[in-house]
Amino acid sequence: QKEVEQNSGPLSVPEGAIASLNCTYSDRGSQSFFWYRQYSGKSPELIMFIYSNGDKEDGRFTAQLNKASQYVSLLIRDSQPSDSATYLCAPRAPGNSGYALNFGKGTSLLVTP
Amino acid sequence: GAVVSQHPSRVICKSGTSVKIECRSLDFQATTMFWYRQFPKQSLMLMATSNEGSKATYEQGVEKDKFLINHASLTLSTLTVTSAHPEDSSFYICSAETQETQYFGPGTRLLVL
Repeated sequence: QKEVEQNSGPLSVPEGAIASLNCTYSDRGSQSFFWYRQYSGKSPELIMFIYSNGDKEDGRFTAQLNKASQYVSLLIRDSQPSDSATYLCAPRAPGNSGYALNFGKGTSLLVTP
Repeated sequence: GAVVSQHPSRVICKSGTSVKIECRSLDFQATTMFWYRQFPKQSLMLMATSNEGSKATYEQGVEKDKFLINHASLTLSTLTVTSAHPEDSSFYICSAETQETQYFGPGTRLLVL
């Protein structure tokens, strides 16, 4: 069973603070790791992805990956109310059906003004 | 980023009827497309992988005779829910794969009465 664990939240942070979202995964065959944001009633939108251990920055977002610990995180700096959404962690691994994404249940983030 | 469209965005149908949902990659070609289903407050569940020119690969527990998938071209995949029942009411989302990741369509909300 390929498990992806995320704290369901809600994670509440004040506007301007750093939001830290965490994810652990069980499939050591995972090769790349994706963060999607999903607003209520909408489909997921890609925020960023990371392949290598360490940090990867993209604007206000930083993804961190530690394959040895099977841990990936997303930091959101200067959080805005518009960042309030559910954040989905999705490791990607080769499988029977090509490179399928295995989604966690997501962490609900609430940024308060 | 790449653009994926879905049609229709929402559909209401009577129990026993069939519903076809289209997924198109608008500015790129996608050999592989994926179909997901999401029930309220739950994570995305992969239903099947659709490969252009070949039969779809279904996930365990998904009835291939009920959810017919056709990937006739590199930019179009269709999902037909046959003999729909109220328990099929859900949010159906497709995604199209690039070399790096998957881009999601806006989703189709199906309500079966």
